[in-house]
Amino acid sequence: GIQVEQSPPDLILQEGANSTLRCNFSDSVNNLQWFHQNPWGQLINLFYIPSGTKQNGRLSATTVATERYSLLYISSSQTTDSGVYFCAVGAYSGAGSYQLTFGKGTKLSVIP
Amino acid sequence: DAGVTQSPTHLIKTRGQHVTLRCSPISGHKSVSWYQQVLGQGPQFIFQYYEKEERGRGNFPDRFSARQFPNYSSELNVNALLLGDSALYLCASSFTGSDEQYFGPGTRLTVT
Repeated sequence: GIQVEQSPPDLILQEGANSTLRCNFSDSVNNLQWFHQNPWGQLINLFYIPSGTKQNGRLSATTVATERYSLLYISSSQTTDSGVYFCAVGAYSGAGSYQLTFGKGTKLSVIP
Repeated sequence: DAGVTQSPTHLIKTRGQHVTLRCSPISGHKSVSWYQQVLGQGPQFIFQYYEKEERGRGNFPDRFSARQFPNYSSELNVNALLLGDSALYLCASSFTGSDEQYFGPGTRLTVT
């Protein structure tokens, strides 16, 4: 199956700093999503970005599908940005089903 | 707009028991997928249903089963619970099953 690697696994930032999270995947995929998981476990959709670049406020994401990686940029970080960020790639399995394969996440802690 | 809803929020069961988890997708979505997330890991795919048909199954034992109803809501059933089944169970909905996935708040299952 597809392998998804996220880096770094842990990141500590001072409030106001910028950061880049990376997601590498091992095979061609149909879709890619970035999520933020809050302390209660809810996965919040950040970006649906199979390719190209998107921006939403202080967050932006770029996926280069031909090189099998995606980047999530967080600018001017705030304490509310803390949590775990997951990259998930969507692809059809050999049996014909579609599923998201998640990385292990990047745990971000923003300190005041 | 109502998002994906799941019930119950929390559940404590004893080894060997059976459990049923429920999910209601976003209105208009016809696909529901189930994921298991153990502590410190990303979610893992269990099942996908579309228009009441099973489209795919992840690497989980036959103790796990699911179904989708005519109103597109879904149930996940787990028989003969093991300690290792303790996890956060997440439901995701989408229009077609291979487009953007939206997750519910999850059901946290503890098996003692």
